Amino acid sequence: EVQLVESGGGLVQPGRSLRLSCTASGFNFGDDAMSWVRQAPGKGLEWVGFIRSKAYGGTTEYAASVKGRFIISRDDSKSIAYLQMNSLKAEDTAVYYCTRDTLDVVVVPDGIGDYTWLDPWGQGTLVTVSS
Amino acid sequence: DIQMTQSPSSLSASVGDRVTITCRTSQSISSYLNWYQQKAGKAPKLLISAASNLQSGVPSRFSGSGSGTDFTFTISNLQREDFATYYCQQSYSTPYTFGQGTRLEIK
Repeated sequence: EVQLVESGGGLVQPGRSLRLSCTASGFNFGDDAMSWVRQAPGKGLEWVGFIRSKAYGGTTEYAASVKGRFIISRDDSKSIAYLQMNSLKAEDTAVYYCTRDTLDVVVVPDGIGDYTWLDPWGQGTLVTVSS
Repeated sequence: DIQMTQSPSSLSASVGDRVTITCRTSQSISSYLNWYQQKAGKAPKLLISAASNLQSGVPSRFSGSGSGTDFTFTISNLQREDFATYYCQQSYSTPYTFGQGTRLEIK
């Protein structure tokens, strides 16, 4: 069974740091990009960023709201993705989900191509930034 | 960034109804559009990828269509377990963006 389990959430003061972990099982972790998505209380979903697989350079992309403060990394030997969150703000308070950024070939009405989607998702971990 | 406009933001319907949610993007994204279902207190679940590709195990009453900038998500013959919040998401370019969500409630 493909599974993702986040850990590391909790209460943290503004300006401090926190590191989240996402432990994967049931698939070849090193073959896939991994994304982080967050959801503030009562709000919608916001993509935080992702890290590509080593085959695609292992590079990262971030949302503007976290760029320069958050860092995504991965340890393929342990099947773990990390989200290092620095200089935390009250507006970073959210449930943080990790998700596999699946890439596959799909036939669509317009033809055939490589498409990506987020599946599966972990259960999420709550980060509360407050003094 | 690609802006997503999802409508309606909320919807009341009855068991057995057919409902439609639309998602419009600020630029053409071909078929790089996914739909997710989220139930209260749970993680989102992928239902449809690449605009119209139903995921394995997802009931056939769920469907998606569209290409370019206009997309539609339909649930026919609503069941009680379908009452949830639904999101569209574009994977055409980063930053990935989501629609605002549609909360589907029981009438």
